[in-house]
Amino acid sequence: DAGVIQSPRHEVTEMGQEVTLRCKPISGHNSLFWYRQTMMRGLELLIYFNNNVPIDDSGMPEDRFSAKMPNASFSTLKIQPSEPRDSAVYFCASSPKPPQPQHFGDGTRLSIL
Amino acid sequence: AQSVSQHNHHVILSEAASLELGCNYSYGGTVNLFWYVQYPGQHLQLLLKYFSGDPLVKGIKGFEAEFIKSKFSFNLRKPSVQWSDTAEYFCAVTLYNQGGKLIFGQGTELSVKP
Repeated sequence: DAGVIQSPRHEVTEMGQEVTLRCKPISGHNSLFWYRQTMMRGLELLIYFNNNVPIDDSGMPEDRFSAKMPNASFSTLKIQPSEPRDSAVYFCASSPKPPQPQHFGDGTRLSIL
Repeated sequence: AQSVSQHNHHVILSEAASLELGCNYSYGGTVNLFWYVQYPGQHLQLLLKYFSGDPLVKGIKGFEAEFIKSKFSFNLRKPSVQWSDTAEYFCAVTLYNQGGKLIFGQGTELSVKP
């Protein structure tokens, strides 16, 4: 059974560029979460979806960040324009339904120069 | 605001030593509690969870945790650590009826010396 799949694994880009991170949740999971991990702030929830609907986006840092889930098997997190302080590891996680445990992807290591 | 606090930022142990990592949360209502582990360069994996029932829960790889409601605590334990337990450990809480939103502690880095 495939786990949560994220792409790309690594991304290095210049400040001001648009960055799109992708996530495929585990089939049958109804909840999807985006997290950001940094040394300074630890693991932060950015946004989560239930049945493709955004439920809580209070963790999204600012308007430069946006997330979509057009269907049950795909989600994107977009940063436009990107800034060096956005450098972090971004994890996607999914769960069958709350409060079942979340399964995490391998993350995308993002570096903004 | 609800929060999760892990007492130790970095713990260094020798192999075969016993481990206890502290975790406290600040929320008076019903919670579900988790410990996740993140091995170097890898994603988070679930070690164990508590939803209800016996407050002493057993997880994978010989880990266990005890939920003490009166102390708002969910400490992680292992009687004898191995070098392969070197990782970062995260305590996390979901609040009842909050859609599964996980609130993480800041993590404890465990280094086990062979």
